[in-house]
Amino acid sequence: QSALTQPASMSGSPGQWITIPCTGTSSDVGRYNFVSWYQQYPGKAPVIVIFDVANRPSGVSNRFSGSKSGNTASLTISGLQAEDEADYYCSSYTTGGVYVFGTGTKVTV
Amino acid sequence: DVQVEQSGAEVKEPGESLRITCKASGDSLRNYWIGWVRQRPGEGLEWMGFIFFADFETRYSPSFQGQVTISADTSIYTAFLQWSSLKASDSAMYFCATALHGTASWHYWGQGTPVIVSS
Repeated sequence: QSALTQPASMSGSPGQWITIPCTGTSSDVGRYNFVSWYQQYPGKAPVIVIFDVANRPSGVSNRFSGSKSGNTASLTISGLQAEDEADYYCSSYTTGGVYVFGTGTKVTV
Repeated sequence: DVQVEQSGAEVKEPGESLRITCKASGDSLRNYWIGWVRQRPGEGLEWMGFIFFADFETRYSPSFQGQVTISADTSIYTAFLQWSSLKASDSAMYFCATALHGTASWHYWGQGTPVIVSS
């Protein structure tokens, strides 16, 4: 399995919104609605912010939203805040019965 | 909720063996998968594989098949990640995470176990 493709970095000003794309194939993102997004601060464990493409765990800000079209999933962060500055990884279930992460996107606010 | 706690930092020499642990606590643990994720310094996350507590079904990502062994002991609800002969390239932070059977979302993560392999 190859890693899903994400831009290495993205930036936005406070209050703006950004959308992080995650491109896979018909064997992972395109086939299953099992795409999750994780936020990771330096030196910390990842935290799930979106699961099953568009669902938010309890306690996660509603400024985070997810979607999917074809082989590309997306994470949108609206009303950017300083605390959103982190690395973001997508992950998808695959036809191989395992999971694959995206390459990761460093978000700068 | 399920909580997971990982074993502490390890410093090993190339060729040595190692087993690190991930202990789960909470309700209905038999219904959970435990997964392992590698993160090398300055790099991204990589799924290594995962094991199901109920029947010990184990799956490995292709890159890690044959390189590590994932196992579990349900008497103490602990999962293990094991190497028989470490290489310098195994130096990384290793995270464990849990997913409820029938779902594909890994909600609860351990704090990570740093492994340094150096002569």
